[in-house]
Amino acid sequence: QEQIQQWGAGLLKPSETLSLTCGVSGGSFSGYFWNWIRQSPGKGLEWIGEINHTGKTDYNPSLKSRVTISVDPFNQQFSLRLTSVTAADSAVYYCARDVGGGYTHWGQGTLVTVSS
Amino acid sequence: DIVMTQSPDSLPVSLGERATINCKSSQSVLSNSNNRNYLAWYQQNPGQPPRLLIYWASTRESGVPDRFSGSGSGTDFTLTITSLRAEDVTLYYCQQYYISPYTFGQGTRLEI
Repeated sequence: QEQIQQWGAGLLKPSETLSLTCGVSGGSFSGYFWNWIRQSPGKGLEWIGEINHTGKTDYNPSLKSRVTISVDPFNQQFSLRLTSVTAADSAVYYCARDVGGGYTHWGQGTLVTVSS
Repeated sequence: DIVMTQSPDSLPVSLGERATINCKSSQSVLSNSNNRNYLAWYQQNPGQPPRLLIYWASTRESGVPDRFSGSGSGTDFTLTITSLRAEDVTLYYCQQYYISPYTFGQGTRLEI
């Protein structure tokens, strides 16, 4: 049974860098795109970007200047980095596996709060 | 970006009855190359990540009860839930995965 576990800091100050990582166990890592999605009361579900095991990425243009998604295929992990955070970046951040027809497996979610 | 608009925002329902949720995309999500609609439906319970119910607009994900069905093509889609059970009364989202950035509807909440 594939599982995705995510971790990272949940409380940030404005202008700091958000850093989250997801680890995949019990299943294949290659052949899929691995995604970051966030959910806030104000903006609903927002796709941040994705990466595959070779490092090919795609980002939401609305965040592209501040986002980096990286991958460590040997440890079956992928990470999100979002720079210069503001209160508008406060949300629950999820990682998820894309099988080409929707997101079938999700991390448990990380609540990120940006506050001075 | 493709804008996904769900209707209604909230839907009063009765257990045992049918619920219908609509989703409209601002442009077609039907691929001419494979004749597939790049449209998914998710269910989300409080404190949980979304759960994939339907993909390719009408294909049920493994383990999803057959009282959930999806239909539609192009820009107009519907999620239908028949014989509503208490555990179905929650939040539902549609999503297009045809053109990046992939976008979600604003959500529809079923209410007793």
